[in-house]
Amino acid sequence: NAGVTQTPKFQVLKTGQSMTLQCAQDMNHNSMYWYRQDPGMGLRLIYYSASEGTTDKGEVPNGYNVSRLNKREFSLRLESAAPSQTSVYFCASSEASGFGETQYFGPGTRLLVL
Amino acid sequence: GQQVMQIPQYQHVQEGEDFTTYCNSSTTLSNIQWYKQRPGGHPVFLIQLVKSGEVKKQKRLTFQFGEAKKNSSLHITATQTTDVGTYFCAGLYGGSQGNLIFGKGTKLSVKP
Repeated sequence: NAGVTQTPKFQVLKTGQSMTLQCAQDMNHNSMYWYRQDPGMGLRLIYYSASEGTTDKGEVPNGYNVSRLNKREFSLRLESAAPSQTSVYFCASSEASGFGETQYFGPGTRLLVL
Repeated sequence: GQQVMQIPQYQHVQEGEDFTTYCNSSTTLSNIQWYKQRPGGHPVFLIQLVKSGEVKKQKRLTFQFGEAKKNSSLHITATQTTDVGTYFCAGLYGGSQGNLIFGKGTKLSVKP
C-alpha cells in the first residue's frame, strides 16, 4: 500500500495563477483532510471531508476550494494564488468518519507563490 | 475559540538528557493525539489518549493525559539523536464530529 500520496511535491506559482493539489489514499478511509503548515504555526485545517460526498470548512478555508472526487481522492484548488498561500500543504486521511481516529499524512506539497 | 497551547516551542538537549513537552487546553478534551514530524518529513501518529489520567508508554516515551482531560505531556527518557524532530499534540473537542486542533509543536534538537 502506498498510503497517502500527494502531487506535486513542489510547485512555484505567480500571484493570480490557479492550481490543484491532488491527494489520494489507498486505505479505504472514510475521512480526508487538507492542512497547511507554516513556520511557528503548527498545522491548520483548511477543509475536510468526513465521508464521500461531503466537505466542510476548517479553520482557514478562505482562498481554497475542495472536491471529494470519490472515496480515494480529495483535491484542493487555489483559484487565484496569493503570496500568503506560500506554505507546505499536507493531505491526511482517517478510517472513521470524523476526527476521533488516527490521521495518516501524505508527504506534503511545498508551494511557493511569488 | 478552542486552542491547544504547547510548550516549549524549542528544546535543545544533550544526548542522554530527558525531554518533556506539555499541552494545555482551557476546555475539556475528548481525546488527545501525539504526532512526530522529522525534519523535512510529514507528521506521523504516535499515540492517542482517551481516558482521564491515562498513562501510556512506548519504549523511552511516556505519554500522560491529565485527570481533568485538559492537559497532556510527552516525556522522553535519555534522548537519542533519532528523537530529533517536532512533536505535536492534537486535542479533539466535541467528539469525533467535533474539531481536532493541533498545538504549534515543540522542536527538539539533540546534540551528540
